[in-house]
Amino acid sequence: DGGITQSPKYLFRKEGQNVTLSCEQNLNHDAMYWYRQDPGQGLRLIYYSQIVNDFQKGDIAEGYSVSREKKESFPLTVTSAQKNPTAFYLCASSIAIQGSYEQYFGPGTRLTVT
Amino acid sequence: AQSVTQLGSHVSVSEGALVLLRCNYSSSVPPYLFWYVQYPNQGLQLLLKYTTGATLVKGINGFEAEFKKSETSFHLTKPSAHMSDAAEYFCAVTPEYGNKLVFGAGTILRVKS
Repeated sequence: DGGITQSPKYLFRKEGQNVTLSCEQNLNHDAMYWYRQDPGQGLRLIYYSQIVNDFQKGDIAEGYSVSREKKESFPLTVTSAQKNPTAFYLCASSIAIQGSYEQYFGPGTRLTVT
Repeated sequence: AQSVTQLGSHVSVSEGALVLLRCNYSSSVPPYLFWYVQYPNQGLQLLLKYTTGATLVKGINGFEAEFKKSETSFHLTKPSAHMSDAAEYFCAVTPEYGNKLVFGAGTILRVKS
């Protein structure tokens, strides 16, 4: 089955620790994305990557870092500099269909930092 | 720049009643429009999309949406609500050949028995 996997489903960390969220896709998509979801705020773009070894900041990149060493993988690190890291994190990937970059989403990781 | 406004953060309907979720967008270029559905603690699933061509778009689970350029709207409808439709719905926009989606804040649909 083709799709996007995110692990783990739930993650708990102490304040001050860095944590890395995994995102893997076997859809052969070129572009991958990380979003943060908070209640009542929709999805906000953290980082995106259109090609291996290249990525761009989204709207809320501060306190986050990413890498794209392989086409299939786009891990997100939430650093201790992120002031409010508790949220639901969604990874997505896309391929151009008729000029429209239709995005497919993973199941998400809920991060709780105390 | 694009933006999306979803009117009503919560909508409640009775089972069997019409579902209407409102979405208005702003875009300086022709938009591509999407509706996604999210069940609790899950990712987003594409319901339907408008790119070009027919302005009435049919999607999965009996949903449809109509692109109205003059009203800058893309409202989502379903003739008869089912309990399984209870979820959060997101409208999103991107320009043609754009690779970033801009999402609305979401509308939580509650279906009463």
